Amino acid sequence: DAGVIQSPRHEVTEMGQEVTLRCKPISGHDYLFWYRQTMMRGLELLIYFNNNVPIDDSGMPEDRFSAKMPNASFSTLKIQPSEPRDSAVYFCASSFDPSNQPQHFGDGTRLSIL
Amino acid sequence: AQSVTQLDSHVSVSEGTPVLLRCNYSSSYSPSLFWYVQHPNKGLQLLLKYTSAATLVKGINGFEAEFKKSETSFHLTKPSAHMSDAAEYFCVVSDNALGNEKLTFGTGTRLTIIP
Repeated sequence: DAGVIQSPRHEVTEMGQEVTLRCKPISGHDYLFWYRQTMMRGLELLIYFNNNVPIDDSGMPEDRFSAKMPNASFSTLKIQPSEPRDSAVYFCASSFDPSNQPQHFGDGTRLSIL
Repeated sequence: AQSVTQLDSHVSVSEGTPVLLRCNYSSSYSPSLFWYVQHPNKGLQLLLKYTSAATLVKGINGFEAEFKKSETSFHLTKPSAHMSDAAEYFCVVSDNALGNEKLTFGTGTRLTIIP
């Protein structure tokens, strides 16, 4: 079975540019999560969706960040405009029933903002 | 509310010796607990999970963990370390509260294997 697929794996861009990260969850999983991992703050939940609807976006740092899930097989996380402090590894994860079933993680997107 | 504390940020063991990674949790409900492993430049991979069945949980690659409610602990062990076990390990809790699908992650323990 294909796992969670994220693209791109690496992104280097200049400050002020728009960045779009993409995620394809595992087929049949109703929940999709976006995380950010940094050395300073560890793993942080940014937002999660259930059946394509955003449920909790309290972890989204500020208005520069937005996430969408137009259908059950695709989600995007967008940063506009990007800033150097956004540099991190961004993970997408999906799950069938996250209260007692594991989340399955993609390999992440390593984002560097110059 | 739920929280998890990984007691060691870094553990070093010699190859072939036992591994112990410690985790304590706090949960208002009957929790689900997980251990994930992260190898460099990779996502998190599930090692094992506890969801109110047997208290001793066996996972992949020879790892196991024991749920001890009285001690609020869920320590990860392996009898004999292998070089490929070098990675970051995360203890994770979900308190199974209705409507709470969020996981709480520990800060991670970096495991180094000495040849």
